[in-house]
This record gives sequence, C-alpha cells and structure tokens, in this order.
Amino acid sequence: GAGVSQTPSNKVTEKGKYVELRCDPISGHTALYWYRQSLGQGPEFLIYFQGTGAADDSGLPNDRFFAVRPEGSVSTLKIQRTERGDSAVYLCASSLQGQETQYFGPGTRLLVL
Amino acid sequence: EDQVTQSPEALRLQEGESSSLNCSYTVSGLRGLFWYRQDPGKGPEFLFTLYSAGEEKEKERLKATLTKKESFLHITAPKPEDSATYLCAVQDLVRGGNKLVFGAGTILRVKS
Repeated sequence: GAGVSQTPSNKVTEKGKYVELRCDPISGHTALYWYRQSLGQGPEFLIYFQGTGAADDSGLPNDRFFAVRPEGSVSTLKIQRTERGDSAVYLCASSLQGQETQYFGPGTRLLVL
Repeated sequence: EDQVTQSPEALRLQEGESSSLNCSYTVSGLRGLFWYRQDPGKGPEFLFTLYSAGEEKEKERLKATLTKKESFLHITAPKPEDSATYLCAVQDLVRGGNKLVFGAGTILRVKS
C-alpha cells in the first residue's frame, strides 16, 4: 500500500513569511507525528496526534509553530513569521493505534532565506 | 532526560568487511529501541524494534542486539548498497509517551 506522503517536497520562503506543510499518513493509521531534522542530526520530535487531537505537543519550539489534523487523517504543520533557523527537513510519520513502529514520509525540505 | 549517543559518527568499510555500530541510551524505562536506515534526501526507513535486554533480530546482512545500556547493529559482509546513515531511537515507557528520541546517526560508506 501507499506510504506516508508529504507535500511540498521542497519549500523556499523568505524570512517573516507564513508556510504550511502537509502530511498524508498511511491509510488506517490513527497516530501521526511531526519531527524536524537539521543537517547532520537525528530527527527531533515536534508533536504527536492521536486521531484529531494533539496528544503531545511538547516538542514545538515556540508559538510560531502550530499543527492541525481536523479529520483525523491529513495533518498540516503551520509556521508563522519564519526565521532562518527554521530551515530544516520536516518529517512526518504515522503508526497504527497502539503500535509503536513509526513509518516516515520523505520529508519537506524548508529553506528560509 | 532521555539520551541516545551513536558511535562512530562515520564508518568506512571495504565490501565484505564486517563491523558493528553502537547505540548507547539513557531512559527512565525502555518501551522500545528502534533502528532506522536513512538514504540521502529520503525519510528514515524502519529496520528493527527491540524491547528487552538479550533480544536479537536479523534481516539479511544486519543483526541488531540489545543490552540494558546499549544496542549494536552488526553488519556482516556489507555491500555498497548498505551505504546509508543508520539511526537509533528510543521510546521511554515512563515519561516519553509515543515520541522517538533519536541519536545523531552513524554514516556508513561501503566501498567495492
């Protein structure tokens, strides 16, 4: 079956702009995760959804970052007033409810100029 | 705070030269330890989950083992296509919820 998909694959924006990153999880997966990966580092947790609700948003770095999952499937990560330090690969993962294995998408490469 | 340290940072092997990658971890209680493979420009690809000390899992040329403090990823007779970054991650049973805490990875290059 289809894996996790993310759009766009690449995004270039200017400092101060607003961006939205989209994630389509594996069909039937109720848990969805967002991570951020900087060059040469492992992924860093941002937020976890179980169904429509954010079960853990402890990794969001500040209030410029927000994520939604209104129908319990597709999720959007929103970044306001982007800063150059937000440049990174944003990864989405999904898992079956109660299952620990997380399956990752290809990521969105965000570059803030 | 949960911590994962991987070593070495980079490893160069000749084709057929077996070796091991190390993942040392600190958690309140281990829910699971995960190994992923990541190719350049792609997302992490799941390899193994280990749950308790003494557990071992194998897949082709890869074998993962687990102790109470560390995990090893053994690569037997590697091929150039095994070249990738190998990531280790843990889930904390006590305070981590479902999130994964990753190490920085080991970059493996296998030359023919």
